[in-house]
Amino acid sequence: GDSVTQMEGPVTLSEEAFLTINCTYTATGYPSLFWYVQYPGEGLQLLLKATKADDKGSNKGFEATYRKETTSFHLEKGSVQVSDSAVYFCALSRYSSASKIIFGSGTRLSIRP
Amino acid sequence: DTGVSQDPRHKITKRGQNVTFRCDPISEHNRLYWYRQTLGQGPEFLTYFQNEAQLEKSRLLSDRFSAERPKGSFSTLEIQRTEQGDSAMYLCASSYDSGGGNIQYFGAGTRLSVL
Repeated sequence: GDSVTQMEGPVTLSEEAFLTINCTYTATGYPSLFWYVQYPGEGLQLLLKATKADDKGSNKGFEATYRKETTSFHLEKGSVQVSDSAVYFCALSRYSSASKIIFGSGTRLSIRP
Repeated sequence: DTGVSQDPRHKITKRGQNVTFRCDPISEHNRLYWYRQTLGQGPEFLTYFQNEAQLEKSRLLSDRFSAERPKGSFSTLEIQRTEQGDSAMYLCASSYDSGGGNIQYFGAGTRLSVL
C-alpha cells in the first residue's frame, strides 16, 4: 500500500544552519505531496505542497521538489531560526481531491540559539 | 473564519466508559476527516465525510467507534467501552474541493487518556 518514510529525529541544529529532512514515498500513480508542521500545543498546519512531478513547493523559506524518478520530496531551508523548532510531517494524498492523507512518522526539529 | 474547532481539548476516562468528541469544521468546508495520532507517530486516517455522508472508514475504526455528521456541519466521534489502547490524540480536519487539490485544515485535537 501507499506509504511515506521520513528521516528519523530528533534533529538538532544551530540557528542559521542549513536544513534537510529526507522524505521518500511509495504510491501508484501520481500522488500529491505535502509537508505539514506541528508547533508545540498547536494543530497541524500545511507548510507546502506539490501536485505533480518537478513541482517545487515553497513557503516561509522552506522548499521541497517533487522528484518522481527518486520518489522523494525532501524538505530544505537555507537558514533555520529558533522559531522553526517543531515536528515536521511528510505526507501524500493519492488522488487530487477528497482522499485521506497518509503521513510519515514525523521528524522533530530543535534549533539552538 | 475561526478554523477547525475541537472539543474537549483533553479527556481522561476510565476503561470501559464511553466518550464523545466534537468537531466543528471551517464553515464552508463540505469534507470532514477524523485521524488518530499516537505518541511519536504521524496521524492515521479513521474516517471521512462528504456533507452528511460517511464515504470511507479505515480498518482502524473498530465496531466500538462511530462517527456522525448529521446535518453536514459539525461531527461527533464516539468511542464505546474505551480501552487503554484508545489513548491517543484524535484530530479532525476539513477541506473544500475547489479543484486545487486536497488541502486539509486541522484542529488542535482532543487528547484522550484511558486509565
